[in-house]
Amino acid sequence: GENVEQHPSTLSVQEGDSAVIKCTYSDSASNYFPWYKQELGKGPQLIIDIRSNVGEKKDQRIAVTLNKTAKHFSLHITETQPEDSAVYFCAASHWRDTGRRALTFGSGTRLQVQP
Amino acid sequence: DGGITQSPKYLFRKEGQNVTLSCEQNLNHDAMYWYRQDPGQGLRLIYYSQIVNDFQKGDIAEGYSVSREKKESFPLTVTSAQKNPTAFYLCASSIAHPTGVKSSGANVLTFGAGSRLTVL
Repeated sequence: GENVEQHPSTLSVQEGDSAVIKCTYSDSASNYFPWYKQELGKGPQLIIDIRSNVGEKKDQRIAVTLNKTAKHFSLHITETQPEDSAVYFCAASHWRDTGRRALTFGSGTRLQVQP
Repeated sequence: DGGITQSPKYLFRKEGQNVTLSCEQNLNHDAMYWYRQDPGQGLRLIYYSQIVNDFQKGDIAEGYSVSREKKESFPLTVTSAQKNPTAFYLCASSIAHPTGVKSSGANVLTFGAGSRLTVL
């Protein structure tokens, strides 16, 4: 089955700096890669996702890049703000798993933005 | 507003007791899931259900049971057989489609706020 590894486990940046979180996946058939943000005491929420037919996707200060050959994808947050502090999870799945196992998650990255 | 409601938010259990965590959604989603979250281990799948009256074991189903009698509800019972039940439990739902049909929104999970179970 799919295995997703995520690094780093913790990341501390100064407000205004950029943050990068990296994930690798094992199943070359995976074609959907979402990122979820979990604030303290809440459930994770989808913040951005990318499909395997696209190499990069941006949404304001966040972007995701995908390298299918190397089987890794990354989350980039620019101009970080204190409200970006949270735990971020990457995940991977194949469309055949829709409604089934759905997603395989990474172990999470705790991002702390220092004011 | 549509969403997923989990209850209770906090639950304490004595060893040897079964407890049931509630999960209700009004999103009209077919698929529902239970995940367990432990520090540094991400989200691990306990059980999932694609449709009413059907459910499948995930990666860590031992010591847990579920039912899916209604589309809106997917309760999780943590039994006394679960050796280390203290954790944060997350329920989620998504649109489900038959195998072979691709959909841009089908893989998106909507999560509840979670239930924290502590065994005393």
